[in-house]
Amino acid sequence: AQSVTQLGSHVSVSEGALVLLRCNYSSSVPPYLFWYVQYPNQGLQLLLKYTTGATLVKGINGFEAEFKKSETSFHLTKPSAHMSDAAEYFCAVRGSGGGADGLTFGKGTHLIIQP
Amino acid sequence: SQTIHQWPATLVQPVGSPLSLECTVEGTSNPNLYWYRQAAGRGLQLLFYSVGIGQISSEVPQNLSASRPQDRQFILSSKKLLLSDSGFYLCAWSVSVGQPQHFGDGTRLSIL
Repeated sequence: AQSVTQLGSHVSVSEGALVLLRCNYSSSVPPYLFWYVQYPNQGLQLLLKYTTGATLVKGINGFEAEFKKSETSFHLTKPSAHMSDAAEYFCAVRGSGGGADGLTFGKGTHLIIQP
Repeated sequence: SQTIHQWPATLVQPVGSPLSLECTVEGTSNPNLYWYRQAAGRGLQLLFYSVGIGQISSEVPQNLSASRPQDRQFILSSKKLLLSDSGFYLCAWSVSVGQPQHFGDGTRLSIL
């Protein structure tokens, strides 16, 4: 079974500062990892994904994440925060062992951008 | 390009009333389809998934059911709603196993 832990239900950063949202996972098979963003009263939008290959993956809106197998982590970063980045962010994992089961999500991190 | 539609966007229902939420996908064939629920202050919980017409898998026991009458249509239903059924319901699709899931805009369901 898979699980996802997102450290910090709320993260506050100043505009222009580094954004770091933490995600740790557990998986019994090599994982596929995803970050999604959710704006109020909307669905989830895929930011980036890791399946295989390069461990540093770049996504939309200037975000990137690095898969670290030894640390079972997939932290999301952005060098300089914008006000428009304020939203809820979800880390998700699915096993790559087959089956059509859905994603396992973390509980989300609310990103607050201070002007 | 592929699109996913959910309706209604918001719904207010009395306890004990029936429910039907609809989701359709356009621009792709034989997608995997999913229903999630997002309760206040929580993450997303997978409710059902489907790999084909008439094939439904349930992840958690509950007061809800799902059906897939057509290839790109996924319906979430209940015969009698409970207060605990309140939440934000999201439909999603993916091309195949291991591929990213793409989400609809959700339905906010309030039970009175």
